[in-house]
Amino acid sequence: DAGITQSPRHKVTETGTPVTLRCHQTENHRYMYWYRQDPGHGLRLIHYSYGVKDTDKGEVSDGYSVSRSKTEDFLLTLESATSSQTSVYFCAISDFGQGSYYGYTFGSGTRLTVV
Amino acid sequence: DQQVKQNSPSLSVQEGRISILNCDYTNSMFDYFLWYKKYPAEGPTFLISISSIKDKNEDGRFTVFLNKSAKHLSLHIVPSQPGDSAVYFCAASGAGKSTFGDGTTLTVKP
Repeated sequence: DAGITQSPRHKVTETGTPVTLRCHQTENHRYMYWYRQDPGHGLRLIHYSYGVKDTDKGEVSDGYSVSRSKTEDFLLTLESATSSQTSVYFCAISDFGQGSYYGYTFGSGTRLTVV
Repeated sequence: DQQVKQNSPSLSVQEGRISILNCDYTNSMFDYFLWYKKYPAEGPTFLISISSIKDKNEDGRFTVFLNKSAKHLSLHIVPSQPGDSAVYFCAASGAGKSTFGDGTTLTVKP
């Protein structure tokens, strides 16, 4: 399904280096989200966007920043990667915002390892 | 404070039998409840949802039941198939927020 793609799919990086993950959608959905998935924690929201240049923090935003300069692209940057940011990162899109009956469409994920 | 809890990390059932996945929540302000399914190395896929004003929603083999007084919902899969083996996440949404549980791994044995 090419509606939402994440890149890279896998990345190994060193502690202290900046890392940028990309989410690209072709659905023209207004809302985009970045989640991380860790064992025992389910899916936790990092940041989300409700339009071009409109972003807000989620529950685990420390150490992360985002940018959305175009409808189709939502970038997640780890400013200085730490081992605690080793995780699987998922991007999601929706047309209806967070408090909705309609579910999100998720990307396939990026597995990030910080060594 | 975890507002959405899936207390069973795993569940194993025989093919053809019923699978029942459970979820509890603490916030009465949630408007909608959703279930997602996730296969390894893939993103979660939206499965089914229910409004807080309903107590049941059905879609093929999948039925979600909501008990508001108990703050509990469940997903029933009948009959279970080996292809249903996956991690199932419960989520609750409302007031501009969406919260996920930790997931339950379902294994359906042939």
